[in-house]
Amino acid sequence: GIQVEQSPPDLILQEGANSTLRCNFSDSVNNLQWFHQNPWGQLINLFYIPSGTKQNGRLSATTVATERYSLLYISSSQTTDSGVYFCAVKFQGGSEKLVFGKGMKLTVNP
Amino acid sequence: EPEVTQTPSHQVTQMGQEVILRCVPISNHLYFYWYRQILGQKVEFLVSFYNNEISEKSEIFDDQFSVERPDGSNFTLKIRSTKLEDSAMYFCASSGRSHLYQETQYFGPGTRLLVL
Repeated sequence: GIQVEQSPPDLILQEGANSTLRCNFSDSVNNLQWFHQNPWGQLINLFYIPSGTKQNGRLSATTVATERYSLLYISSSQTTDSGVYFCAVKFQGGSEKLVFGKGMKLTVNP
Repeated sequence: EPEVTQTPSHQVTQMGQEVILRCVPISNHLYFYWYRQILGQKVEFLVSFYNNEISEKSEIFDDQFSVERPDGSNFTLKIRSTKLEDSAMYFCASSGRSHLYQETQYFGPGTRLLVL
């Protein structure tokens, strides 16, 4: 069936380390978004990236649509990067909904 | 930067009571959505709304749920008779153009609903 899978499920880092989060999706998409859920539960939109590469400060993302995966890079991690990261996609075919992965919990220790 | 707003931020209600969750989407957006997230789980789609009618809904969105755009700015989700399992964070989202176009969905801060 249609799936969005994220890996790893959990990650613990020391401050200053780099990390890569992966999102695999099972079919062609026309929308892919990365979110950070902060401790208050708010979904912060990080990137809209159905294809290509984008960078925003210490964060960057790459989506290879033909191979059905996206990567989120966090460099020089800070404690404020802690939280849950979600990948969400809108599959081609007319559906309007975003389908979310299960999320990846990142803990950055000082 | 324009943003989606939601009220209330938290709501506690008794099982069987009706609740109305309110959202103000970004002003020039055309598509509106509700999602929910049960504690510790992933975010799930409930319903989308376009041109004053439901355009898509999930199997979660049963007869106890309804949506409405009562005026030019608000978008509401009503739960008619709340159940314990309705306890969740409810997110409103909006996007600018037709779903046929690539378009970011912008999410509100959420309403945390607790049913006792």
